[in-house]
Amino acid sequence: SQTIHQWPATLVQPVGSPLSLECTVEGTSNPNLYWYRQAAGRGLQLLFYSVGIGQISSEVPQNLSASRPQDRQFILSSKKLLLSDSGFYLCAWSGQGANEQYFGPGTRLTVT
Amino acid sequence: QKEVEQNSGPLSVPEGAIASLNCTYSDRGSQSFFWYRQYSGKSPELIMFIYSNGDKEDGRFTAQLNKASQYVSLLIRDSQPSDSATYLCAVRVDSWGKLQFGAGTQVVVTP
Repeated sequence: SQTIHQWPATLVQPVGSPLSLECTVEGTSNPNLYWYRQAAGRGLQLLFYSVGIGQISSEVPQNLSASRPQDRQFILSSKKLLLSDSGFYLCAWSGQGANEQYFGPGTRLTVT
Repeated sequence: QKEVEQNSGPLSVPEGAIASLNCTYSDRGSQSFFWYRQYSGKSPELIMFIYSNGDKEDGRFTAQLNKASQYVSLLIRDSQPSDSATYLCAVRVDSWGKLQFGAGTQVVVTP
């Protein structure tokens, strides 16, 4: 069966510091991968999605970036965090040609 | 901008009753629809998906889709306190699998 991991689970970072969040998927090959952010009391906002290694599409222009160095690894980064970057960051995967997306456990980021 | 609308709630439901959640969407070409359950502080969990007009049942959950009227609904029968959560409606909006989410409906099941 497929499993999706995210780490760290929680993170507190000062404004202006860098960020690196990691997501890995097990039990499947060539998945579509997605990064979402959920601000407190808000809906899910799609940040990036990837249909293959090195193929990244950005949905929202901001100070975040994403990379996919391996088939089942998706990384979300920032060089300098803003207060507005606080939120619940969720990675999701879907199979190629499949519709359903499955979410990882998430990383709760607080920027102070 | 393709939109997905849900009533934010909270929807208060007595234990054992039916909870009825509604979702409307703006993109008439949408073909795939999803319901996720999100407990407080946790990530969303896929509980139902529906692609064809009509009803789809899975245990105590029934998803209903009406493409002509552009709405999808979720019924939760015999509601339990463990059903208390926020329910997110999602619509696939392109060929790459991107989903547009509604803001969610909070359901509170009271004993």
